[in-house]
Amino acid sequence: DQQVKQNSPSLSVQEGRISILNCDYTNSMFDYFLWYKKYPAEGPTFLISISSIKDKNEDGRFTVFLNKSAKHLSLHIVPSQPGDSAVYFCAAERSGAGSYQLTFGKGTKLSVIP
Amino acid sequence: EPEVTQTPSHQVTQMGQEVILRCVPISNHLYFYWYRQILGQKVEFLVSFYNNEISEKSEIFDDQFSVERPDGSNFTLKIRSTKLEDSAMYFCASRGDGGYNSPLHFGNGTRLTVT
Repeated sequence: DQQVKQNSPSLSVQEGRISILNCDYTNSMFDYFLWYKKYPAEGPTFLISISSIKDKNEDGRFTVFLNKSAKHLSLHIVPSQPGDSAVYFCAAERSGAGSYQLTFGKGTKLSVIP
Repeated sequence: EPEVTQTPSHQVTQMGQEVILRCVPISNHLYFYWYRQILGQKVEFLVSFYNNEISEKSEIFDDQFSVERPDGSNFTLKIRSTKLEDSAMYFCASRGDGGYNSPLHFGNGTRLTVT
């Protein structure tokens, strides 16, 4: 039961170019979405989030886009840097769920090539 | 910046033994969570804890698992009789009183190896 899907297990991008990571979800009740970055031997680190009332949220080099009708979100990193190389997880939750647990995708491993 | 801390970083145990994984959430946070990630798989929700009781738990969180907040700072996960398939990274997380619409902050995890 994959309610949050990241269909690309890996992505390679040249330094300075744009990285686009994609995420699809199936549960229309989800209304808050987050991206986490994870380095080996560390826990997931919060990167950026977006509420369903918005379609775009920007923070420095990171922008998240939400297309509710397509149940799709994407993370854009511009310009990509070697330090961005990590596994990126998309996560989602729904309001009114009580404990506000997150449902994660399987992750996309981003490699930024110098 | 305040962070979630977990101990130990690596725990090796024999099948059938009890283990306790420890976490110190961020001090003013109110919601606490355990997640796990089996090697090569996605991060999976185990349990959430709020107001000194379990709010929600997944199918993975069976009778062998329990959580406790024994004092004002620690949050523990106990596995009573470990199985080989419990081998995974276990992540503790917490979030503030914003609840919904505020991010979870994760610790660096405990790698549990059951032999």
